[in-house]
Parts: sequence; structure tokens; C-alpha cells
Amino acid sequence: EIVLTQSPATLSLSPGERATLSCRASQNINNYLAWYQQKPGQAPRLLIYDTSNRATGIPARFSGSGSGTDFTLTISSLEPEDVAVYYCQQRKSWPLTFGGGTRVEFK
Amino acid sequence: QVQLVQSGAEMKKPGASVKVSCKASGYTFSGYYMHWVRQAPGQGLEWMGRINANSGATNYAQKFQGRVTVTRDTSISTVYMDLSGLTSDDTAVYFCARSSYTDNCFDPWGQGALVTVSS
Repeated sequence: EIVLTQSPATLSLSPGERATLSCRASQNINNYLAWYQQKPGQAPRLLIYDTSNRATGIPARFSGSGSGTDFTLTISSLEPEDVAVYYCQQRKSWPLTFGGGTRVEFK
Repeated sequence: QVQLVQSGAEMKKPGASVKVSCKASGYTFSGYYMHWVRQAPGQGLEWMGRINANSGATNYAQKFQGRVTVTRDTSISTVYMDLSGLTSDDTAVYFCARSSYTDNCFDPWGQGALVTVSS
């Protein structure tokens, strides 16, 4: 099973700041990584698929990069509505697995 | 618009089974996979399995093999997840989520169904 490790666990920033979230895979997953946003009491929402492709309707301030085992989700300028938990997910092999999540909050 | 609407919250006793439904609308039901993902209170996301809505073929996470069954009824565009042998560790919100045949990314998701297992 591929283990995804996300860091940091919590990111405390101010509105307008840049957020950088990391996801590390226990083995090579090529570019088969997605990112999801989950707000309290809601279902997750797909942000990025295959490392760097934004899903439909996702603002341009969200971007993804990386390859192999190391991946990054960047939010270029934090908006109030970006407060949420962010999960990465791999589709390279079974079972499909998620990272433990990074909580983004405002200072 | 694409929408997945799940059945309501359930309360079950240990050892019982639960069946959660997920009704799809706004797209061609048989053209996609449907997955089930669960989230225990305050915890992360855990993939359970998927069904090919066209053929009915299933794949399950080994952790749930023998306890989970995913089925579909194409006549009403609905997928079902049946989980047996419930314990308190199965208390969680259960989500359905769609993926295409070419990837296993989840978009969109149902609203979730809370299953509580308690004696």
C-alpha cells in the first residue's frame, strides 16, 4: 500500500499570504496525484488532478506541482474561503490512498 | 448539473449491517465508476471500493473484503454500499464519489451519510 505523508499538519497564515502544502509518497506514483479541499461539515471537493491540472471551476490561485514522490499544492494568495483541510490522493496503485491532511487556518 | 444524493443517517447495533444508497443525476450513469470513501469522526479519508456502473464489476480495498458489497441499479441510477459485521470502528461518514473510466479521481462527491454503531 502506498502511504502518503502530508506536511505540515497545520498551516497558520494571514489572508493574502502564500500557502505551500507538501505531500510525499512512499514510492514513485508518477504524476498520479490529486488534491481535495474539505470545509467543515462538507464533502471534499476536487481541486487538482494528475499533479497540476485544475478541476473545473477551481480558481487560478490554486496550483499543483511535483513528480515521483514529492508533490506540492500552492495557494498563491489566501482568501477567507480557503480555510479548510486539504488532502492528497494517489491513483497509481490499489488500494487508492489519501494523505492525513493539512489544516489551513488564519492566524 | 451532476449531483449525488445519499440516503440519511443510520444508527446500528454492533454486528448488524447497513446499506447506504447514492442516487446519481445530471449525467449518463453507466459511463462512470462510483466509489465509496469513509471518514471517521475527526479523521482522514479512507477508500473502500468502487463499482463500474456499466458492467457492475467491483474492486474493494483488502481491509473491507468480505464485509463490503457495492451494487447498482441502472434503472434508477443508484449505487448501494452494504457493510456487514459492524463494530464501533465503523462509525463514520460514508461518501459516494464519481470517477471517470480513465482516472480514479473523485468528482463530485455525495453529501455523506453518517453511520453510528453503538450498543
